[in-house]
Amino acid sequence: GESVGLHLPTLSVQEGDNSIINCAYSNSASDYFIWYKQESGKGPQFIIDIRSNMDKRQGQRVTVLLNKTVKHLSLQIAATQPGDSAVYFCAEDGAGSYQLTFGKGTKLSVIP
Amino acid sequence: EPEVTQTPSHQVTQMGQEVILRCVPISNHLYFYWYRQILGQKVEFLVSFYNNEISEKSEIFDDQFSVERPDGSNFTLKIRSTKLEDSAMYFCASSADRGNEQFFGPGTRLTVL
Repeated sequence: GESVGLHLPTLSVQEGDNSIINCAYSNSASDYFIWYKQESGKGPQFIIDIRSNMDKRQGQRVTVLLNKTVKHLSLQIAATQPGDSAVYFCAEDGAGSYQLTFGKGTKLSVIP
Repeated sequence: EPEVTQTPSHQVTQMGQEVILRCVPISNHLYFYWYRQILGQKVEFLVSFYNNEISEKSEIFDDQFSVERPDGSNFTLKIRSTKLEDSAMYFCASSADRGNEQFFGPGTRLTVL
């Protein structure tokens, strides 16, 4: 089980550097994955998604990599900006399920 | 750009009182969801709703919780008798189809005293 009041992992990067945020997912049957960004006091905001028949997908300044063998997902942010500072969650959509299962989150802090 | 809206932004209530949280999903979406996030923790699924009925619910969604789509635009979450541990951010989300991106609203912060 999980502890109450988890301390979020934190990633601090210099402005302009690339960021890599990692996530381990739990359900090998999951077939759809999403990265969300959550700023303080706001709802999760969609960044990028990927389906299980792909291992890489690129968006604007962001790339998601999926390794189904080890059930690992990563989000790469190129040229990180102060506006990227937020908590980042991966979420998985299990096959046959309606719900998204969220990961624990990583707090990204961008140092100007 | 269409967005999910939620009201109120903050609700304070006494333990044992009923609360109704309101959401207006994106207009052409067919799947609706409620999630909650206790302070400092991850987002947790509560319930999904499709075709005017619950399609899936979690263990959190016990008989104190109910959802309703009273008209063509609103989607509500009712907590019949609030407990202290119900204090959390409650997010509504909607999607065009199952297995598609879920768009989240800004949330309602529920504080139970």
